[in-house]
Amino acid sequence: GQQVMQIPQYQHVQEGEDFTTYCNSSTTLSNIQWYKQRPGGHPVFLIQLVKSGEVKKQKRLTFQFGEAKKNSSLHITATQTTDVGTYFCAFLSNDYKLSFGAGTTVTVRA
Amino acid sequence: DGGITQSPKYLFRKEGQNVTLSCEQNLNHDAMYWYRQDPGQGLRLIYYSQIVNDFQKGDIAEGYSVSREKKESFPLTVTSAQKNPTAFYLCASRGVAGGKNEQFFGPGTRLTVL
Repeated sequence: GQQVMQIPQYQHVQEGEDFTTYCNSSTTLSNIQWYKQRPGGHPVFLIQLVKSGEVKKQKRLTFQFGEAKKNSSLHITATQTTDVGTYFCAFLSNDYKLSFGAGTTVTVRA
Repeated sequence: DGGITQSPKYLFRKEGQNVTLSCEQNLNHDAMYWYRQDPGQGLRLIYYSQIVNDFQKGDIAEGYSVSREKKESFPLTVTSAQKNPTAFYLCASRGVAGGKNEQFFGPGTRLTVL
């Protein structure tokens, strides 16, 4: 069935630097969602993308859905300690199952 | 204060015992979900329900059972048939009306089977 792969699995970032995490699928997706889970917490919805080539920004976070709707990226600029956590991409299939990638765990060096 | 509640936060059980995890939501959402998360891993879908009195198996349903007798409640039973039940269990709900697909998660229950 459909699934998404996230890379990298771990991202160690110097505070103030930028980084990007990627979500890839072998098949076309109708939508992509991003969630953030802080250490010890539960996932919290960040955004949903549905259109080919769509780009959405939330302050220092930029989300993009690829033209072919097979990949997505999350770019964070000027990383802060509050960005620590695991970022998951997920997609909602036609039978309303939300399938998650394995996540990218971000740590920040002050 | 609207949201999803899961209880208890930590649960310990002896091997061979069934245990039921509670999940309640007051968001008036039709759809509810149960996920399992193991350390350093993503979320795997156990069961989900789109409407009262109906539910479907997810990717790892073996050893688990659910019921959906009320819209606001979706309890999960971890049976003795589940080989590795120790994990972090997350319940979620999603509003279907208006095209919204955002899932709201509860705080989770950490189950440890001794």
